[in-house]
Amino acid sequence: EVQLVQSGAEVKKPGESLKISCKGSGYSFTSYWIGWVRQMPGKGLEWMGIIYPGDSDTRYSPSFQGQVTISADKSISTAYLQWSSLKASDTAMYYCARQRDGYIQDYWGQGTLVTVSS
Amino acid sequence: EIVLTQSPATLSLSPGERATLSCRASQSVSSYLAWYQQKPGQAPRLLIYDASNRATGIPARFSGSGSGTDFTLTISSLEPEDFAVYYCQQRSNWLITFGGGTKVEIK
Repeated sequence: EVQLVQSGAEVKKPGESLKISCKGSGYSFTSYWIGWVRQMPGKGLEWMGIIYPGDSDTRYSPSFQGQVTISADKSISTAYLQWSSLKASDTAMYYCARQRDGYIQDYWGQGTLVTVSS
Repeated sequence: EIVLTQSPATLSLSPGERATLSCRASQSVSSYLAWYQQKPGQAPRLLIYDASNRATGIPARFSGSGSGTDFTLTISSLEPEDFAVYYCQQRSNWLITFGGGTKVEIK
């Protein structure tokens, strides 16, 4: 069974750093892209970027380029999304999803809620 | 960047009725269009990909159609569990965008 399990909710202060994770199982982790999607409170879905764990090829949406870093450790089948300096506007639910055929996100993690507040 | 516009924003219907959701792209996306369902407190779920292919386990009452710039998701007869928000999604090269969503609510 394909599963993506994300790390737990985080509460941080503005300016702090953060790295959240997404662990895949039940499939060949290095053979599929992993994408990250943001959902701000009460809002829609925003695609942030993707990584191919097989060779760490990474692509970012222009809206998120330079704002976050996507990485992966294929030895433990885990992808990451990290911030070096959080802002209140980063408060959102973040989902990882397995991505195939260029855009189809067929399996999703349960989401990680990030709250940034002073 | 290709913009996807979904309409209507909200659709108020009763169980058993037919739902027709629209997604329009600012330029052609060929058939690279997917639909997702999201219920409150849950992650999105893939319903349709490549405009008209149902994902694994998706009931036959869900169907997708269209190509180029105009796409439709149809739910032939609404079940209670179908009341949710629906998003369309496209890819242009490797850049993906989502539409703003259509909420299907109980009338």
